[in-house]
Amino acid sequence: NAGVTQTPKFQVLKTGQSMTLQCAQDMNHNSMYWYRQDPGMGLRLIYYSASEGTTDKGEVPNGYNVSRLNKREFSLRLESAAPSQTSVYFCASSRGTGGGGYTFGSGTRLTVV
Amino acid sequence: RKEVEQDPGPFNVPEGATVAFNCTYSNSASQSFFWYRQDCRKEPKLLMSVYSSGNEDGRFTAQLNRASQYISLLIRDSKLSDSATYLCVVGPNYGGSQGNLIFGKGTKLSVKP
Repeated sequence: NAGVTQTPKFQVLKTGQSMTLQCAQDMNHNSMYWYRQDPGMGLRLIYYSASEGTTDKGEVPNGYNVSRLNKREFSLRLESAAPSQTSVYFCASSRGTGGGGYTFGSGTRLTVV
Repeated sequence: RKEVEQDPGPFNVPEGATVAFNCTYSNSASQSFFWYRQDCRKEPKLLMSVYSSGNEDGRFTAQLNRASQYISLLIRDSKLSDSATYLCVVGPNYGGSQGNLIFGKGTKLSVKP
């Protein structure tokens, strides 16, 4: 099993450009998440989807939008990238409620110049 | 008080040493507890869950003290391959919001020959 697959792995954007980070899981998990990780800040939740058809804001949602396309796929969109969005982005999934173990994708390293 | 606090380290120890990491959490209603491991420039991976009675997995022992809101991870007989950042993770009360798994900023461990 591939687990959680994220694309792209690396991206450089100019300020104001838009892009979508893709995430897909093949574990039949109900819940999916987007995190960003910055030096000294730890992992911060951007958005999550508890189940297909629902999405909710996390700790740092400003400047992002998400789409739970189906049970497998959860995308993160930056409409107008800013240098403050330079970060490593991780997608994760879990079976369901109760805070069970998350499986993470390998991450997307995004630089906004 | 931050939701999940860890000593950032780094902990520099020789091979074979025993090392302990501590973590405190602020939400007394938390019900699920984990340790994750993150290698440099990689995604976090679940190391072990933490149960109220304490649990052991080979050289790793995790303990939970609900009264003190304190979690620990003990690594015995450290190996070079244990070098990584260890993230303390606290989950929501069951039935609460799915998206509130809180990650500590991590403790960096470096095991030297």
